[in-house]
Amino acid sequence: EAGVTQSPTHLIKTRGQQATLRCSPISGHTSVYWYQQALGLGLQFLLWYDEGEERNRGNFPPRFSGRQFPNYSSELNVNALELEDSALYLCASSFGLAGADTQYFGPGTRLTVL
Amino acid sequence: AQSVTQPDIHITVSEGASLELRCNYSYGATPYLFWYVQSPGQGLQLLLKYFSGDTLVQGIKGFEAEFKRSQSSFNLRKPSVHWSDAAEYFCAVEAGGSQGNLIFGKGTKLSVKP
Repeated sequence: EAGVTQSPTHLIKTRGQQATLRCSPISGHTSVYWYQQALGLGLQFLLWYDEGEERNRGNFPPRFSGRQFPNYSSELNVNALELEDSALYLCASSFGLAGADTQYFGPGTRLTVL
Repeated sequence: AQSVTQPDIHITVSEGASLELRCNYSYGATPYLFWYVQSPGQGLQLLLKYFSGDTLVQGIKGFEAEFKRSQSSFNLRKPSVHWSDAAEYFCAVEAGGSQGNLIFGKGTKLSVKP
């Protein structure tokens, strides 16, 4: 069974541009989560989507946004890129039963902002 | 607020030696706890999880962890470390309620001496 997939593997942008990252969950999973892993800041929660709706959001500015499609895949958009947005962005998926569920992670997208 | 503390930033052990990675959590109710492992530049792989029941949980790759409510701890152990275990290990607690997200510790980097 295929795991969580993310594309692209690497993304290089310049400051002020927009970045779009994509995630496909494990088959049968309805929830998708996005996390940012920046150097020195650890793993921080960004967004949670379930059944096409945004369910929760971490402490990030509005220029971090996303959506979930009817096939449960998801897209993370980062507008007006700043140098500090350089990080590994990890997507995870689960069956969407918050409180007794397990998140499985993809390999990540490395975003570099120049 | 929920939090996870991994007191050891970096640990070095000899191959074949035993290993214990510490994790302490702060959570008001019964926590859902996880250990993940991350190889350099990769995503997170689930090692094991605790939801309820037996406080000693077995995971993949010969790892186990023990939930101790009185000490608010969920330490990860392995009786004999292999060189391939060198990686970064993250302890996490599910945020609870309807929040859905995981709260991660800062991670412990494990180095293995031959």
